[in-house]
Amino acid sequence: AQKITQTQPGMFVQEKEAVTLDCTYDTSDPSYGLFWYKQPSSGEMIFLIYQGSYDQQNATEGRYSLNFQKARKSANLVISASQLGDSAMYFCAMTPDTGGFKTIFGAGTRLFVKA
Amino acid sequence: EADIYQTPRYLVIGTGKKITLECSQTMGHDKMYWYQQDPGMELHLIHYSYGVNSTEKGDLSSESTVSRIRTEHFPLTLESARPSHTSQYLCASSEYGGFSSGANVLTFGAGSRLTVL
Repeated sequence: AQKITQTQPGMFVQEKEAVTLDCTYDTSDPSYGLFWYKQPSSGEMIFLIYQGSYDQQNATEGRYSLNFQKARKSANLVISASQLGDSAMYFCAMTPDTGGFKTIFGAGTRLFVKA
Repeated sequence: EADIYQTPRYLVIGTGKKITLECSQTMGHDKMYWYQQDPGMELHLIHYSYGVNSTEKGDLSSESTVSRIRTEHFPLTLESARPSHTSQYLCASSEYGGFSSGANVLTFGAGSRLTVL
């Protein structure tokens, strides 16, 4: 069965510090894509970063980086230099090979950035 | 500027009413999806489509139905709304391509928040 697990319901971080949001996944597919999305209180979902299962290097997008450890099936999101605007829900997601490109989501982590 | 539009953003209706949530995208994406999300909770896929005249049910059972007559349009209909249907409904689209290329990045609409009294 395909599954995404985010074990941190809520996280606090001081402004300007780095924070890591955990994500583990379960799939038997040899190929898959991993994603992180941000959902502010306004409700829209915003794509942050993508990692392919065959990518050798960890993905980076500005202040976001994805710490991909394939053997451990983990895809943690690292946000550097947190800003107040980073306060939001963060969802880890996976598109496995089987199932026709259906993306499944984790339960999310709510991040609070303190001034 | 949004490339995928959902209307209405908010809807409060009584039990038994028929409702249609509209979703349109201007990106020419083949794949479109409907997710259901309770506040602060994970997203559950309820419907998806690979293209015109293609619709499939998602992993979460839903009494809603969808249609895909045009590439850009993917409406969701509830024939008889009940309080258990109260939730946020998110429409999304993506390009048709291999996941290894990142082509399955989802673009979401702003959501339709439905309350059934």
